[in-house]
Amino acid sequence: KAGVTQTPRYLIKTRGQQVTLSCSPISGHRSVSWYQQTPGQGLQFLFEYFSETQRNKGNFPGRFSGRQFSNSRSEMNVSTLELGDSALYLCASSSGTGGAATQYFGPGTRLLVL
Amino acid sequence: QKEVEQNSGPLSVPEGAIASLNCTYSDRGSQSFFWYRQYSGKSPELIMSIYSNGDKEDGRFTAQLNKASQYVSLLIRDSQPSDSATYLCAVNQAGTALIFGKGTTLSVSS
Repeated sequence: KAGVTQTPRYLIKTRGQQVTLSCSPISGHRSVSWYQQTPGQGLQFLFEYFSETQRNKGNFPGRFSGRQFSNSRSEMNVSTLELGDSALYLCASSSGTGGAATQYFGPGTRLLVL
Repeated sequence: QKEVEQNSGPLSVPEGAIASLNCTYSDRGSQSFFWYRQYSGKSPELIMSIYSNGDKEDGRFTAQLNKASQYVSLLIRDSQPSDSATYLCAVNQAGTALIFGKGTTLSVSS
């Protein structure tokens, strides 16, 4: 089975721009979770989608948003980028919702905001 | 605020020794517990999951859970240089998000 894929793998943007990241889960997985990883804060939960519905949301500003499509692929968008948004963005898929089921991570998208 | 605490390390052990990684969590209602390994520049990969009090063994890895003490640990026997990585503890309560600790960096010297 193919693993979780994320595109693009690397991205450079400037402050004020917006960015869209994409995640394709493992075939058959209906839950996709997004995380931001920085050296200082570690892995922080952004949001989770299950069957096109947002099930959980982390403590991030409204500039961070996401959606899930009927084929379970998910996108996250960050508007009005700030320098502090530079991070590794990881998505993880699982067969169930709420984090109880094992989550499998994609390779991540490394975002640099200049 | 649900929290998962880990010593940041680095934890240094010689090759062949047992490495012991510890994690405490604040939410007494937590039900699922995971250990992930993350190599530098890579994404986390699952090592173990544990749901009940006691020990769970998988090869050289043993996860231990004590819900009364809100404590979960990972033992790595016969540590190898290839085990050098950051180990992330993750905890969740049903229906909520998975909460990660900041990780413990393990260094195994040959």
